[in-house]
Amino acid sequence: EAQVTQNPRYLITVTGKKLTVTCSQNMNHEYMSWYRQDPGLGLRQIYYSMNVEVTDKGDVPEGYKVSRKEKRNFPLILESPSPNQTSLYFCASGDKGWREKLFFGSGTQLSVL
Amino acid sequence: QQPVQSPQAVILREGEDAVINCSSSKALYSVHWYRQKHGEAPVFLMILLKGGEQKGHEKISASFNEKKQQSSLYLTASQLSYSGTYFCGTEGYNQGGKLIFGQGTELSVKP
Repeated sequence: EAQVTQNPRYLITVTGKKLTVTCSQNMNHEYMSWYRQDPGLGLRQIYYSMNVEVTDKGDVPEGYKVSRKEKRNFPLILESPSPNQTSLYFCASGDKGWREKLFFGSGTQLSVL
Repeated sequence: QQPVQSPQAVILREGEDAVINCSSSKALYSVHWYRQKHGEAPVFLMILLKGGEQKGHEKISASFNEKKQQSSLYLTASQLSYSGTYFCGTEGYNQGGKLIFGQGTELSVKP
């Protein structure tokens, strides 16, 4: 089944403790992206990747890192999480890029205490 | 830079029509529409590229006015299954890969 898999689904952590949210897609998509969703603010793009080893900042990249060492995986790294990073995070991938249909993962609800 | 959607929320009865608008302050190359049901991931509806084309998906269609930097989503004869939050995503010129979503419009369809 074609899908974008995020893990974990829920995560509670404390300020400053490094964490990684994994994202993997099995559709051989070149384009992948991370979004965070907050009430009243919609989906805000954190980082995106056009292809392996090519990443770029979205609108809200501060406090986040990403890497794209292989096509299927695009992990989101929070080196030193803070409470303002408490949010619902979505990973998405697209076939021929962002101008095609995006497939979203199920989301990761992160709480930073 | 985030596109502005209106209205923020709308309540309909089954069978009624609705229009959701998406407006940007920047020149747009494309507009994307997604629907998200509560507790789920956003799901693709359609993409409109520059040129003012109109596309359809079941009883949901959309238009894109490039000159006005606006797009509208039309929901006709709404069904209960149309309930959810609708997001428009916009891509500006020379911003390849950067898809910026609006704040969302919450649509509730009642029996």
